[in-house]
Amino acid sequence: AQTVTQSQPEMSVQEAETVTLSCTYDTSENNYYLFWYKQPPSRQMILVIRQEAYKQQNATENRFSVNFQKAAKSFSLKISDSQLGDTAMYFCAFMGGTYKYIFGTGTRLKVLA
Amino acid sequence: NAGVTQTPKFQVLKTGQSMTLQCAQDMNHNSMYWYRQDPGMGLRLIYYSASEGTTDKGEVPNGYNVSRLNKREFSLRLESAAPSQTSVYFCASSGEHTTNEKLFFGSGTQLSVL
Repeated sequence: AQTVTQSQPEMSVQEAETVTLSCTYDTSENNYYLFWYKQPPSRQMILVIRQEAYKQQNATENRFSVNFQKAAKSFSLKISDSQLGDTAMYFCAFMGGTYKYIFGTGTRLKVLA
Repeated sequence: NAGVTQTPKFQVLKTGQSMTLQCAQDMNHNSMYWYRQDPGMGLRLIYYSASEGTTDKGEVPNGYNVSRLNKREFSLRLESAAPSQTSVYFCASSGEHTTNEKLFFGSGTQLSVL
């Protein structure tokens, strides 16, 4: 069975600084998707970034980028120029061939003014 | 375009009562999901339906049943609620299964079982 592990329950970063959130996963599949979702206090779930396993190039979305290491089964999220609005829970997620999405336990990020 | 709509938004039950959480999506998605979110435990998959006519257990199915009524609707039933089922429940759907793959979430149901 697939598993997703986020080992950092809480993190904080100064405004305008850079922070990296860690995620590791376990799967025997070769083709899959990886995601980072953001959940602000409103409880809404927002897609931050998506990575397809067959693509070697790391995905980027404005200030958000990932470091995807397929062999190591690692998928970290880097947030550059952190903003107060980035304060939220961040979830790493995996989706494989069965279309079943598995989430990690989340990292609570606080951006400090 | 409403996306994923789930009802109710809040519910308080007594132990042993039953209830059904409703979920509907208007995006013609094939796959639908039910998750529960508890502090420190992330989102855990209860049941999912990869396509109309199929349902499969997720990580925490005990105490729940689901019905994929049609392509739009996927309901979650608690037959005899227990305090351990106090949680926030999310319905979600996905349909692309392509390079635009993503989950679309409902706004959540806060359920308290006393």
